[in-house]
Amino acid sequence: EPEVTQTPSHQVTQMGQEVILRCVPISNHLYFYWYRQILGQKVEFLVSFYNNEISEKSEIFDDQFSVERPDGSNFTLKIRSTKLEDSAMYFCASSEVGLAGGSYNEQFFGPGTRLTVL
Amino acid sequence: SQQGEEDPQALSIQEGENATMNCSYKTSINNLQWYRQNSGRGLVHLILIRSNEREKHSGRLRVTLDTSKKSSSLLITASRAADTASYFCAPNRDDKIIFGKGTRLHILP
Repeated sequence: EPEVTQTPSHQVTQMGQEVILRCVPISNHLYFYWYRQILGQKVEFLVSFYNNEISEKSEIFDDQFSVERPDGSNFTLKIRSTKLEDSAMYFCASSEVGLAGGSYNEQFFGPGTRLTVL
Repeated sequence: SQQGEEDPQALSIQEGENATMNCSYKTSINNLQWYRQNSGRGLVHLILIRSNEREKHSGRLRVTLDTSKKSSSLLITASRAADTASYFCAPNRDDKIIFGKGTRLHILP
C-alpha cells in the first residue's frame, strides 16, 4: 500500500541553524501539508500546498518557514533559523484532488520527523 | 471554528468491549474524518464520512454523522489491545485539518 515517507526520522540541530525536513508524498496525490506536534500538545496545521504554491498557512508559519517541491517527488519544509520552541514532531501529509478542485479527501500522514533544537 | 471537540477526553474499557467516542463541531462541513495516533507516532486515517452520509462502516469501525446536530460518533466493536491510542475527529470544510485534543482510549487486558 502506498505511503507517505519522511526523512530523517530524528533531527538534532543547534539554535539558529537551518534545517530541511523532507517528505515523499503518495505519488498520485496533488495536495501536500505540514503539521507539527509539540510534545504533549495537539497536532497543529502549518501549511497546505497545491499546484506549486501555498494554498493556506497558519499563524505559526511565519517568515522563518518555507516549503518547496523541488522535483516531482519530494516536498520539503525549511526552517531558516531554528528556535528552541521549534522542537516538535513534524508530520507531512498528502491527499488526492477531490471535488470541485478542493482536496476534501482523506489526508495520509507520514511517520513524522522529530526535530530537537538545542 | 472548524475544530472538532472529542468526548470523552479519556476512556478505559475491557478488551472485547465496544468503545464509543463522540465529536461535536460548529461549522458546516463537506466531510468528517477520524484519525488514530499511537503514542508519539504518526496519524493514521481511519474513515471518512461525507456530509450527505449518515452512517459508514469499515471493519470493526462504525461512524455516524448528524449534520443537524453537528455531531459524529465513532464506535469500535470488540476492542483489542492494539486499539489503545488517541482518536481525533476532523470536520473538514477546506483543505486543512484542525485537530482537537482527542479521546485517549485505553484497552485493559
